[in-house]
Amino acid sequence: GAGVSQTPSNKVTEKGKYVELRCDPISGHTALYWYRQSLGQGPEFLIYFQGTGAADDSGLPNDRFFAVRPEGSVSTLKIQRTERGDSAVYLCASSEGVGYGYTFGSGTRLTVV
Amino acid sequence: AQRVTQPEKLLSVFKGAPVELKCNYSYSGSPELFWYVQYSRQRLQLLLRHISRESIKGFTADLNKGETSFHLKKPFAQEEDSAMYYCALKGSGANNLFFGTGTRLTVIP
Repeated sequence: GAGVSQTPSNKVTEKGKYVELRCDPISGHTALYWYRQSLGQGPEFLIYFQGTGAADDSGLPNDRFFAVRPEGSVSTLKIQRTERGDSAVYLCASSEGVGYGYTFGSGTRLTVV
Repeated sequence: AQRVTQPEKLLSVFKGAPVELKCNYSYSGSPELFWYVQYSRQRLQLLLRHISRESIKGFTADLNKGETSFHLKKPFAQEEDSAMYYCALKGSGANNLFFGTGTRLTVIP
């Protein structure tokens, strides 16, 4: 596609439920990043993929968060047992590789009620 | 530890006036600094990076290692510059960006 696509654009879920957020990067971009942006804050790094592997997952806040990129393209961020504090905009970005600029998606706004 | 500080949450200037958005950083090595911008209802996008030493949309930013600053400047603000601006740092050897909390710039007609 022409840009980074994230679905859904909005997700409302109940506390304790499981959610999946999808990111479809620019075709050919090997690097993929997930960030989380809480209200009034800048984006915070969660995880970075180079190809299919998670090269750096140091930003994941706890083991309820997990992400995959099985074929080196689309990535899914999975959150188990959601909590109200997980409410934020989840941003995905892709790039041609380390050292290249990012292209961000428009984000998924997650609201946990 | 790395830190990016944008001291102004909100900044208003009149059209045609100079604008400076402040960014200070804390990092022990040699970082790479960026400015990202988010216009209303648009996605976050790269404005400029210090290694490029370029001017984008009339904006420039110089990395001052002595003052650990990377302030964004434009001599004459335009209404279309109204947006949210984020300063970001990438550590040497790092894969990810560390963002400041952002400054919302409003250019008053």
